[in-house]
Amino acid sequence: KAGVTQTPRYLIKTRGQQVTLSCSPISGHRSVSWYQQTPGQGLQFLFEYFSETQRNKGNFPGRFSGRQFSNSRSEMNVSTLELGDSALYLCASSSGTGSYEQYFGPGTRLTVT
Amino acid sequence: DQQVKQNSPSLSVQEGRISILNCDYTNSMFDYFLWYKKYPAEGPTFLISISSIKDKNEDGRFTVFLNKSAKHLSLHIVPSQPGDSAVYFCAASSGNFGNEKLTFGTGTRLTIIP
Repeated sequence: KAGVTQTPRYLIKTRGQQVTLSCSPISGHRSVSWYQQTPGQGLQFLFEYFSETQRNKGNFPGRFSGRQFSNSRSEMNVSTLELGDSALYLCASSSGTGSYEQYFGPGTRLTVT
Repeated sequence: DQQVKQNSPSLSVQEGRISILNCDYTNSMFDYFLWYKKYPAEGPTFLISISSIKDKNEDGRFTVFLNKSAKHLSLHIVPSQPGDSAVYFCAASSGNFGNEKLTFGTGTRLTIIP
């Protein structure tokens, strides 16, 4: 099976802009979770989508949003970018039906200048 | 509040010896635990997991031990190999269907010295 893919791999934006990141899960997986990784904070949970519905949400401001499509592909959007949003954004997929192992993509490195 | 803690940011071990990575948690609702390994510029790779109904799970060179009363788990790698050099994250879940959120520790950088 193909793994989790994320596009783009690298992105440079300026403050105030908005950005959309994309994630394609492993075939057959219905759950997609998004995480932010920064050097001091480790991996922080953003949100999880299952069958096109947001099922879980972390403690991030409303500038961070996402959606999931009927083919389980997911997008994450960050509006009004701040310097502190510079991070590695990881998505992970799982079956969503009780298997707790999540499989991660390579991440999108976002730099905000 | 850091619910999953990895108190050692780094660890160096001689090749061939045992590597022991530790993790503590505070949330008693966690009942499923996972270890991930991460190389630079790659996403975390799932290594091994353990349910709270067990105290040990083994997979090849990797063994995870869980001490529920102490809210502590550890990952043992025997024997350690140069390719094991990476950042290791422990993660925890409440294990309920519908709760796919993983809470991660901040990671331990393991360096295997040839």
